[in-house]
Amino acid sequence: ETGVTQSPTHLIKTRGQQVTLRCSSQSGHNTVSWYQQALGQGPQFIFQYYREEENGRGNFPPRFSGLQFPNYSSELNVNALELDDSALYLCASSFSVGGQETQYFGPGTRLLVL
Amino acid sequence: QQQVKQSPQSLIVQKGGISIINCAYENTAFDYFPWYQQFPGKGPALLIAIRPDVSEKKEGRFTISFNKSAKQFSLHIMDSQPGDSATYFCAANIYNFNKFYFGSGTKLNVKP
Repeated sequence: ETGVTQSPTHLIKTRGQQVTLRCSSQSGHNTVSWYQQALGQGPQFIFQYYREEENGRGNFPPRFSGLQFPNYSSELNVNALELDDSALYLCASSFSVGGQETQYFGPGTRLLVL
Repeated sequence: QQQVKQSPQSLIVQKGGISIINCAYENTAFDYFPWYQQFPGKGPALLIAIRPDVSEKKEGRFTISFNKSAKQFSLHIMDSQPGDSATYFCAANIYNFNKFYFGSGTKLNVKP
């Protein structure tokens, strides 16, 4: 186990609703990245937070937003849910933003949008 | 535009055989190439990684071969075991920026 936890494990929402996913980083890690993994695909980078500031963003619309708290836990918020938002959402924590820092992934939250 | 292309999509290997998964990339700025292993219901876990200044890295039964001129790298699993059955992802990134680009994954099934 990596020490990265995510909640909830599964979630069902309807189109247009809003959702908040949570991630608790591994102890000592100050960087968290969020990924979307569609069924049968590799993870796609959503954004990264370093010491509570956004530090890079992938090709996702502004309705995907995030927060990192002083204890380095993190939230991913998605507004105006669309059917295509159905996916496994992964967070990964690491020691720093250095590219070769190992990212430790949580088990993910599986979101289904109906 | 997919930054990292992975093949094959699925692979069946007999126990004791060699599993080979290939990846190709376009961005020559990439300088770190990890491989991840993902079991059902789990997040990806780092398996092995390589920098472009070496052509091969071996850790136990797992070897990465790297061809910088061809912009390709591959994962070799020697003496494949049923416990290796999982989905494998290659990835790439640029130092000092923790955005990883993942391949689409290879589902490996090692038959007893």
